[in-house]
Amino acid sequence: SAVISQKPSRDICQRGTSLTIQCQVDSQVTMMFWYRQQPGQSLTLIATANQGSEATYESGFVIDKFPISRPNLTFSTLTVSNMSPEDSSIYLCSVDGGSGNQPQHFGDGTRLSIL
Amino acid sequence: AQTVTQSQPEMSVQEAETVTLSCTYDTSENNYYLFWYKQPPSRQMILVIRQEAYKQQNATENRFSVNFQKAAKSFSLKISDSQLGDTAMYFCAFMKHSTGTYKYIFGTGTRLKVLA
Repeated sequence: SAVISQKPSRDICQRGTSLTIQCQVDSQVTMMFWYRQQPGQSLTLIATANQGSEATYESGFVIDKFPISRPNLTFSTLTVSNMSPEDSSIYLCSVDGGSGNQPQHFGDGTRLSIL
Repeated sequence: AQTVTQSQPEMSVQEAETVTLSCTYDTSENNYYLFWYKQPPSRQMILVIRQEAYKQQNATENRFSVNFQKAAKSFSLKISDSQLGDTAMYFCAFMKHSTGTYKYIFGTGTRLKVLA
């Protein structure tokens, strides 16, 4: 299964600033996904990132707030822009398992706290 | 739209005992996949078990097994011989089998604590 490295593992940021989270995979994957997990909550999909195309955002998430890059088949970034305390969450990236019916593999997540 | 419901926010079980976590879902799809993921305090999401909807046989992985009732749209997870390392959040997830769309819908999770 794919090995996923996510950076940073945690950060504490000031209100109004932006932070970019990186997700690196050790093999080429078609789809990468970005999730938000608010404290004590389940995972909510932010967007799906395919290489060479614009990310597809879920309802309630917009590109201006969560711009995503997918420059190649092994890397993606998620930026959390103009942060407020409500953005304090764990952000996780995952990759598709390959043939569509394979389970997603997840990174270790980034714990983000906004002061 | 699909929904996934986990009605047990928290559960506890004695070490070596058996516990069952419930999950129900709502969908009009006929082909789909169901998963159980475990999230320990380290927060990494770890796949526990997977079930294809077209398979009638319940999936089993060592101490973990599922009771998949397609007509009832139920997908419960049974953990046998519980171990302290099983303490974690458990999430049930649904994925529609549709080319090009592999999005998960997660349930709200069940926090399981295994007691020594």
